Amino acid sequence: AQSVTQPDIHITVSEGASLELRCNYSYGATPYLFWYVQSPGQGLQLLLKYFSGDTLVQGIKGFEAEFKRSQSSFNLRKPSVHWSDAAEYFCAAYNTNAGKSTFGDGTTLTVKP
Amino acid sequence: DAGVTQSPTHLIKTRGQHVTLRCSPISGHKSVSWYQQVLGQGPQFIFQYYEKEERGRGNFPDRFSARQFPNYSSELNVNALLLGDSALYLCASSLGGADVPQHFGDGTRLSIL
Repeated sequence: AQSVTQPDIHITVSEGASLELRCNYSYGATPYLFWYVQSPGQGLQLLLKYFSGDTLVQGIKGFEAEFKRSQSSFNLRKPSVHWSDAAEYFCAAYNTNAGKSTFGDGTTLTVKP
Repeated sequence: DAGVTQSPTHLIKTRGQHVTLRCSPISGHKSVSWYQQVLGQGPQFIFQYYEKEERGRGNFPDRFSARQFPNYSSELNVNALLLGDSALYLCASSLGGADVPQHFGDGTRLSIL
């Protein structure tokens, strides 16, 4: 069965510091991969996606993610975090055969001033 | 253009009742997907509908059902509500049946007493 794991439940970084959020997936083939951000009381906003091709993908708000097939990982990065980045971040994998997405349980990001 | 809209925003029900949640996709989108997000967890896939046909179903009991209308809006129905059904219910829309749902509404917060 397809699964997505986000090993870090909660991460705290200082404003201006770099950020890396980890995501590992388990799937027979390469799924479509996504990162979403969710602010309290709101829905999900798509940050970036990987379907195929260049393994380094750029997203909105200065985020990027790198797909590493050998590690079954799709980690999210940002070189300099802003206080407004504090939110919940979800990694997801889309199974094209089953037509459904599987989400990790999320990582809560706290930004210290 | 309006994004994905969901109604109501909040809902309080008691055990054993039934509930209907509504979703209007982005204009031009023909596919709607429903997700359940329990507090502290990532969204769980419930259904995908495309052109009024069910295209995918997650691991949810038969108390959960959905339908899609000719205007591509959708309803999610849950019967015989249980305390464990308390969650944020998210709707996402996409252009076609094979498109990945990337645009989410802000959800309906359902509380069961």
